Amino acid sequence: GQQVMQIPQYQHVQEGEDFTTYCNSSTTLSNIQWYKQRPGGHPVFLIQLVKSGEVKKQKRLTFQFGEAKKNSSLHITATQTTDVGTYFCAGPYSGGYQKVTFGIGTKLQVIP
Amino acid sequence: DADVTQTPRNRITKTGKRIMLECSQTKGHDRMYWYRQDPGLGLRLIYYSFDVKDINKGEISDGYSVSRQAQAKFSLSLESAIPNQTALYFCATRDDRGIDGYTFGSGTRLTVV
Repeated sequence: GQQVMQIPQYQHVQEGEDFTTYCNSSTTLSNIQWYKQRPGGHPVFLIQLVKSGEVKKQKRLTFQFGEAKKNSSLHITATQTTDVGTYFCAGPYSGGYQKVTFGIGTKLQVIP
Repeated sequence: DADVTQTPRNRITKTGKRIMLECSQTKGHDRMYWYRQDPGLGLRLIYYSFDVKDINKGEISDGYSVSRQAQAKFSLSLESAIPNQTALYFCATRDDRGIDGYTFGSGTRLTVV
């Protein structure tokens, strides 16, 4: 079945450094979603990207959708300890826009 | 109150026991989902339902069953629990138009001993 591959699996950064996680698919995605899960918490929806080449910002977070709609990235500028958590991307199953497959996530640790 | 409520939050059960995890939502969405989360494996879809009369298997449905009692309620059962079903279970819902993402419940941490 379709999969979305996410890298890196773990990332430790010093507070104030930037962070980027990448999501890749072997097939074209109609859209891609990003979620954040705090330690001990549940995934929380951050954003959905739909258009080729789309870039969206939420404060220090920048989300990009590749021109070919096969990859996406989440970039955090000047990380803070509140950014700690696991970031997941999710893409729709082939032919089923209401089911998604999740990447394994990138666990971000921010060192104060 | 939370949009998606899961009970119980934590449960320890013995191998071979039947256990039910419950989920209710106040979003008014037709679409509901059960996911399982394991370290290093991400979130995997167990079952999903697009309305009360529509139940579908996900990628890892073996050993599980579901019941959609009403639009707002979707329960997951483990007919005969086994240790490798120890995991964190999430219920989720999503609007029919697919404009927003999933809304997840707080999860049920299940341990099978």
